[in-house]
Amino acid sequence: IAGITQAPTSQILAAGRRMTLRCTQDMRHNAMYWYRQDLGLGLRLIHYSNTAGTTGKGEVPDGYSVSRANTDDFPLTLASAVPSQTSVYFCASSDYPGSYEQYFGPGTRLTVT
Amino acid sequence: TQLLEQSPQFLSIQEGENLTVYCNSSSVFSSLQWYRQEPGEGPVLLVTVVTGGEVKKLKRLTFQFGDARKDSSLHITAAQPGDTGLYLCAGLTGANNLFFGTGTRLTVIP
Repeated sequence: IAGITQAPTSQILAAGRRMTLRCTQDMRHNAMYWYRQDLGLGLRLIHYSNTAGTTGKGEVPDGYSVSRANTDDFPLTLASAVPSQTSVYFCASSDYPGSYEQYFGPGTRLTVT
Repeated sequence: TQLLEQSPQFLSIQEGENLTVYCNSSSVFSSLQWYRQEPGEGPVLLVTVVTGGEVKKLKRLTFQFGDARKDSSLHITAAQPGDTGLYLCAGLTGANNLFFGTGTRLTVIP
């Protein structure tokens, strides 16, 4: 069982380019989340999805969009990347919204130049 | 808005020493979680505390939730090099959103 996989592992992106970070889970979890992690700021929630077909905004949603067409996949798209979006991005899932445990992927390190 | 502040931000100690990490907020949480993260990996849940005043022990780690459910502490007894990592607290709000603390990077020197 892989749990949560993310792709790519790392990426260097020119400002203004469009980028989609991929996230797939094989645990049949209902809820999925995208966080960004920056030094000194911990993890901050970007977007979430409580179940397939629904999405919601987190703490820092500007500049990002998500979709949840099925249970397993939760891609995060940067429509026009800016340097402030340089960060490490983590996808997570939980059995249900508000579940005590979230399972995290290995992360995607994104550098916007 | 950073709801959870952790202290210290960095901690370097010798093997065998004891340490305490603090997680403080002005907000009330329905539960408080502690995660540990190693370089190049995502956070992994260590424990969840739910009741104000609750104390949980996990081998050499002791977790406490404040009476008012606004703060928590993590105490490690006789630290070992394997305890090295980034420790994150996270509070779950009534709206089922999880807010993470700023993190404490622990280094245990052999």
